[in-house]
Amino acid sequence: NAGVTQTPKFQVLKTGQSMTLQCAQDMNHEYMSWYRQDPGMGLRLIHYSVGAGITDQGEVPNGYNVSRSTTEDFPLRLLSAAPSQTSVYFCASRGQGRDEQFFGPGTRLTVL
Amino acid sequence: LAKTTQPISMDSYEGQEVNITCSHNNIATNDYITWYQQFPSQGPRFIIQGYKTKVTNEVASLFIPADRKSSTLSLPRVSLSDTAVYYCLVGDTDSGYSTLTFGKGTMLLVSP
Repeated sequence: NAGVTQTPKFQVLKTGQSMTLQCAQDMNHEYMSWYRQDPGMGLRLIHYSVGAGITDQGEVPNGYNVSRSTTEDFPLRLLSAAPSQTSVYFCASRGQGRDEQFFGPGTRLTVL
Repeated sequence: LAKTTQPISMDSYEGQEVNITCSHNNIATNDYITWYQQFPSQGPRFIIQGYKTKVTNEVASLFIPADRKSSTLSLPRVSLSDTAVYYCLVGDTDSGYSTLTFGKGTMLLVSP
């Protein structure tokens, strides 16, 4: 199993550009989520999904969109990037119940 | 949401036992206590989870008193590779992500 994979690892955008951060998991997990982590801070939940076709907002959803068309994939879209979205983004997944979350390696995004 | 309070940082030496305490005064009946470890430039990794009393695995022990208003993560005989940030999370993962919050964590520095 590859676990949770994220692409790209690094990305530089200009203000106003759009892009999609990819996340995939091969563990057949129902739950997937996106977090952002700013320097010296903990992780903050952006969006999450409890299954294909079902998504919901987390703590900091503004400026981000998600969709969950398959169990495996959970892309995060930035429609119009802003410098405030410069951060490290982590995708995570877990199975049902109170299982542990498995995190991807992260995407380091810089918005100029 | 159950708010958690942890020390910002701790120092230790190789071979010592380290105890990191997390305060969660408003923990709810259905909430579990979960600890994650994060190394620089990596996603968090699950360490241990518990509801009450004591839980032990191959990596750590988790002590939870009867009132559940705090918990202590115990790392036996730490090594340099245990230098990381440790997060205490309190919530009911069975009801979704919205109840889980990563704080700033505790930065543990292990010296030779």
